Amino acid sequence: QKEVEQDPGPLSVPEGAIVSLNCTYSNSAFQYFMWYRQYSRKGPELLMYTYSSGNKEDGRFTAQVDKSSKYISLFIRDSQPSDSATYLCAMSAGYSSASKIIFGSGTRLSIRP
Amino acid sequence: GAVVSQHPSRVICKSGTSVKIECRSLDFQATTMFWYRQFPKQSLMLMATSNEGSKATYEQGVEKDKFLINHASLTLSTLTVTSAHPEDSSFYICSAEPGQGVNEQFFGPGTRLTVL
Repeated sequence: QKEVEQDPGPLSVPEGAIVSLNCTYSNSAFQYFMWYRQYSRKGPELLMYTYSSGNKEDGRFTAQVDKSSKYISLFIRDSQPSDSATYLCAMSAGYSSASKIIFGSGTRLSIRP
Repeated sequence: GAVVSQHPSRVICKSGTSVKIECRSLDFQATTMFWYRQFPKQSLMLMATSNEGSKATYEQGVEKDKFLINHASLTLSTLTVTSAHPEDSSFYICSAEPGQGVNEQFFGPGTRLTVL
């Protein structure tokens, strides 16, 4: 069983729709949860990170963590074609270089104009 | 700020040759740099962690004699794939961590390696 599971998609939605991206994980030691966006043939860029359970909002993006269910989500409101990319969830037990980041396989998202 | 560059962006080489990939932090000093490999439609897999001036720490299953990592300065790390074979073809991505309270990894744009 992989430590982090993520549906690879692809997911295609019309512009303006609310997008929900999800990951599940098995390691209860994970404390820090991140979402990265990766455009084609580019390196990932950090979108959001959260610590422990709860919600965090940043503009059109909301990250949600449910540690009891080992389930994290990223919601994108008012989706735009420029949001089309691969979204990677990632998590670690600590927030330092000593704690390895484990990435999901990524979900390919396409926003149709 | 916090820009990481990689060179080359893509490289094609013959089987048996060695390839060097550079990773530079352009506007900050990176106490720690990481090298990842990403196969198509798969997640990033950490290969090794390197700290400036010390030997790299390799993940289980990664051959240190095949993937040579040098972190000679606070702004430059290199990955050399020695005696490359077609199965080494992949997308190699580095990241750099400033340290000093900023424990966030900034990723480079990646290097596409194709071994014929």
